[in-house]
Amino acid sequence: AQSVTQLGSHVSVSEGALVLLRCNYSSSVPPYLFWYVQYPNQGLQLLLKYTSAATLVKGINGFEAEFKKSETSFHLTKPSAHMSDAAEYFCAVSSFNAGNMLTFGGGTRLMVKP
Amino acid sequence: DGGITQSPKYLFRKEGQNVTLSCEQNLNHDAMYWYRQDPGQGLRLIYYSQIVNDFQKGDIAEGYSVSREKKESFPLTVTSAQKNPTAFYLCASSIYLGKKGGELFFGEGSRLTVL
Repeated sequence: AQSVTQLGSHVSVSEGALVLLRCNYSSSVPPYLFWYVQYPNQGLQLLLKYTSAATLVKGINGFEAEFKKSETSFHLTKPSAHMSDAAEYFCAVSSFNAGNMLTFGGGTRLMVKP
Repeated sequence: DGGITQSPKYLFRKEGQNVTLSCEQNLNHDAMYWYRQDPGQGLRLIYYSQIVNDFQKGDIAEGYSVSREKKESFPLTVTSAQKNPTAFYLCASSIYLGKKGGELFFGEGSRLTVL
């Protein structure tokens, strides 16, 4: 079985501050990992994905995530938050054992204060 | 531009009525999915389909039905048997089911409210 836990359903940062959204996964085989962003009343958009190449993955809008096998983590970061980053972020995992179907975490709502 | 189109964007339904949500994709993807999203609960899989005329139940299929008569289309019917249908519904597609590291592409969603 595979699962994803996103620590913190709500995260608030000031504009210009570091953004850190936490994601831990559980998988008995090497995983593929994804971060999606969702703006209000819209669908999900892929930010980045890890597919066993480089452990540091760069995505759109200045976001990046680092795969750490020893910590079973795939945290999302951005050096400087912008007001337009306010959205909900979802981490997801897929693996061969689960037919490469995606399992989503519960989401983290990012709020950016001016 | 290729993508996934969901309609309607907003839908209101009276209790006891069936409603059908449309999902069309022009990405030439084989696999299509329906998810339900409730506040604080992430995405839950309702149904998925890997080819035409074939579909499988997801984690919360009760009270829902689907069809896949064309590759491009995967409509979802919310039946009167669904006890709590008010939610945001998301349609997605992927190149094919089981692709290693394959991501999902999402539509803009349909918000259903039961009055």
